[in-house]
Amino acid sequence: DIQMTQSPSFLSASVGDRVTINCKASQNINKYLNWYQQKLGEAPKRLIYNTNNLQTGIPSRFSGSGSGTDYTLTISSLQPEDFATYFCLQHNSFPLTFGSGTKLEIK
Amino acid sequence: EVQLVESGGGLVQPGRSLKLSCAASGFTFSNYGMHWIRQAPTKGLEWVASISPSGGSTYYRDSVKGRFTISRDNAKSTLYLQMDSLRSEDTATYYCATDGIRGPVDAWGQGASVTVSS
Repeated sequence: DIQMTQSPSFLSASVGDRVTINCKASQNINKYLNWYQQKLGEAPKRLIYNTNNLQTGIPSRFSGSGSGTDYTLTISSLQPEDFATYFCLQHNSFPLTFGSGTKLEIK
Repeated sequence: EVQLVESGGGLVQPGRSLKLSCAASGFTFSNYGMHWIRQAPTKGLEWVASISPSGGSTYYRDSVKGRFTISRDNAKSTLYLQMDSLRSEDTATYYCATDGIRGPVDAWGQGASVTVSS
């Protein structure tokens, strides 16, 4: 099974900050990496698919990058609605595996 | 607009069974793979099972193999998860999710809560 190590687990930041969240796979996942945002009591929402493709309707302040085993989600200028939990998902092979999540909180 | 609506959750005793349903609309259900993903209280997301568009291929996480069965009825645009021999560690919110034109695990339903407790 491919293990996804996500960091940091918690991130405290201010509106307007640039933040990055990382996911490291235990083996090459060939850019088959999605990012999701989950707000309290809601279902996850896909932000980025296949490493760097922005989901329709998602603001351009969200971006993704990476290759091989290392992947990054960047939010260029935090907005109040961005404070949530973020997960990565590798879909290179079954079992699909998620990162443990990053809770982004207001400083 | 893609809509996925789960139903069938509830409180069940250990060792008993429960069947979840996920009614899909707003897209051609039979064209896309589907997934069940769960989230235990205050925990992260855990993939449970997946099924191909035709239903001919299924995949399960090890901890549910032999206990859970994923299936689909393309005529009814509905996904199912039959859960047998339930354990306390199966307690979670269960989400169904669909693949999309732009790759796997696109849209999600709102989830169905399953609590396994005596």
